[in-house]
Order: sequence, then C-alpha cells, then structure tokens
Amino acid sequence: EAQVTQNPRYLITVTGKKLTVTCSQNMNHEYMSWYRQDPGLGLRQIYYSMNVEVTDKGDVPEGYKVSRKEKRNFPLILESPSPNQTSLYFCASSLGLGQSYEQYFGPGTRLTVT
Amino acid sequence: GIQVEQSPPDLILQEGANSTLRCNFSDSVNNLQWFHQNPWGQLINLFYIPSGTKQNGRLSATTVATERYSLLYISSSQTTDSGVYFCAVVERDGGSQGNLIFGKGTKLSVKP
Repeated sequence: EAQVTQNPRYLITVTGKKLTVTCSQNMNHEYMSWYRQDPGLGLRQIYYSMNVEVTDKGDVPEGYKVSRKEKRNFPLILESPSPNQTSLYFCASSLGLGQSYEQYFGPGTRLTVT
Repeated sequence: GIQVEQSPPDLILQEGANSTLRCNFSDSVNNLQWFHQNPWGQLINLFYIPSGTKQNGRLSATTVATERYSLLYISSSQTTDSGVYFCAVVERDGGSQGNLIFGKGTKLSVKP
C-alpha cells in the first residue's frame, strides 16, 4: 500500500530531551516536507526537501533540524524541545516539486513537551 | 502571500442532507487540494483539483481557476463525514518551496 508513515504517533517528553520523529514514504517521491498544526494558526511548513541531500527552511524552521540521506526517509529532529513545540506534526510527500503534484500526508505525530 | 478563505466555518447537517463547501483564493495557483481531517487528526486526501471537476462516490469537487474558487459537494451525508474540511493551495509563483497554504477549514458535524 502506497503510504507515508510516521513514528511515533504520540509522544510526551520533557524540555530539553532530544527527540526524532521519523517519516518514511514508499512511493519513490522526490519531494518531502514537514508541517505543524496549531489551533488558530493552522498548518505551517517547517522544512522541505526537493531530493536527497537537498533541504531548505520552510516558514517556521526555528528549533528544528532535518536530514535527507535516503530518498524514502525524512526525519525531523528536535535537539532541545521546548513547550512551544507542543503540536501536531505531519510529514508529506509528492512525486516532484510540491507545487505541481498532489501531496500525501502521514497520519500525524502528536507531541507534548512539558 | 496568497490568501485562502473557506466558508462556511461551521456546518451542522442531518444525516442524508447535501452540502456545498467553498474555497476562495486570492492569486493564481498550481495546486489545489481538498482534505478531510477526521476526529483522530488524520488528513485524508479527497481531491487534487487545480482545475476542472472530479467525482469520487458521494463527493465531488469543482475548481474554476480563472475565478479563483473551488467547491466541494457532499451528497447524502453520513456521520462518518464529520470532521474538518480543508482547502489548500500552492501559489503559482511560490518558487521551489512548494508549501501548501491551508484555509482555516469548515467544521462539519453530521447528526444521526
């Protein structure tokens, strides 16, 4: 089944404890990105990647890192999480550059930082 | 940047009723998608529809790109249709970022 997977789906952690949210897609997609969803602010893009080893900042990149060592994986790293990073996170992928192709979303990761 | 407005913000229907959700956008787009966010928070792709009309079962969508709006039709609504419906676009001149700009959504509640 063609899909985008994320792990973990739910995570409660403490301030400052490094964490990684994994994202993987099995559709051979070139383009991948991360969004966060917050009440009143909607969904906002954190980082995106047009291909392996090519990543760039989205609209809200502060406090996050990403890497794209393999085409299928695009992990989101929080080096020192803070409570304002409590959010619902989505990974997305598309066949090519995001503006011209349908984007598919993972199931979401609900993160709480205390 | 591009603005995406959805209406109505809230909608309550009796099971079996039909509805139309609207999405207006302020500039030319390359990509327009409709999503359903279910009560568990998952974003489900409904339509990729930068222009034209598509149908999938009880749902259909129409985008008139020249007039900068899209409509999502839900017929014979069911309780499982409840959730938030989002319209999202990628601005035509948005460069390589390709980020989807989401509207605020329409919250649909279908009562049995």
